[in-house]
Amino acid sequence: AQTVTQSQPEMSVQEAETVTLSCTYDTSESDYYLFWYKQPPSRQMILVIRQEAYKQQNATENRFSVNFQKAAKSFSLKISDSQLGDAAMYFCAYRPYTGTASKLTFGTGTRLQVTL
Amino acid sequence: GAVVSQHPSRVICKSGTSVKIECRSLDFQATTMFWYRQFPKQSLMLMATSNEGSKATYEQGVEKDKFLINHASLTLSTLTVTSAHPEDSSFYICSAYARQVNEQFFGPGTRLTVL
Repeated sequence: AQTVTQSQPEMSVQEAETVTLSCTYDTSESDYYLFWYKQPPSRQMILVIRQEAYKQQNATENRFSVNFQKAAKSFSLKISDSQLGDAAMYFCAYRPYTGTASKLTFGTGTRLQVTL
Repeated sequence: GAVVSQHPSRVICKSGTSVKIECRSLDFQATTMFWYRQFPKQSLMLMATSNEGSKATYEQGVEKDKFLINHASLTLSTLTVTSAHPEDSSFYICSAYARQVNEQFFGPGTRLTVL
């Protein structure tokens, strides 16, 4: 079974600074998807960024980028120029590549605080 | 992006009653929807996968007779918590799979409180 581990229960960053959230996973599959989701106080899950395992290039979405190390099974999220609105729970998630809908496996989450 | 709604957003019920939660994909068809449960300060735990026109697939440890799932159309899945007890109090989140973009979109969640 796949597992996703987030070893940082809480992180703090100053506004405008950069922070990196860690995620490792375990799988025997060679093709899969990895995601970072944000859950603000409203509790609405928001997709931040997505990475296909077959792509060597790290995904980037504006201030958000990932460092995907397939051999190490590591998938960290870097948030640049942090903003107060980035404060939220961040969940790393894994999904098998089956071509059709398949289950997401979530990590335990990292709570990010953004300070002035 | 695609929109998924849930109704109600909050519900309070007495112990022993049943509660139905609706999950709708508003602007796309979803052959597959997922139901999650989230306890305070914890991650999302998948309860079941709901497939349109067929029986739901439940995760290990989830009582199918307690958590009834119906996916009668391509835009609606319902979760009924039967004979609810205080330990069923939780935050329930659904997601719908959009085949066109190969992505799950999440509803805003339903907070259930059983007195």
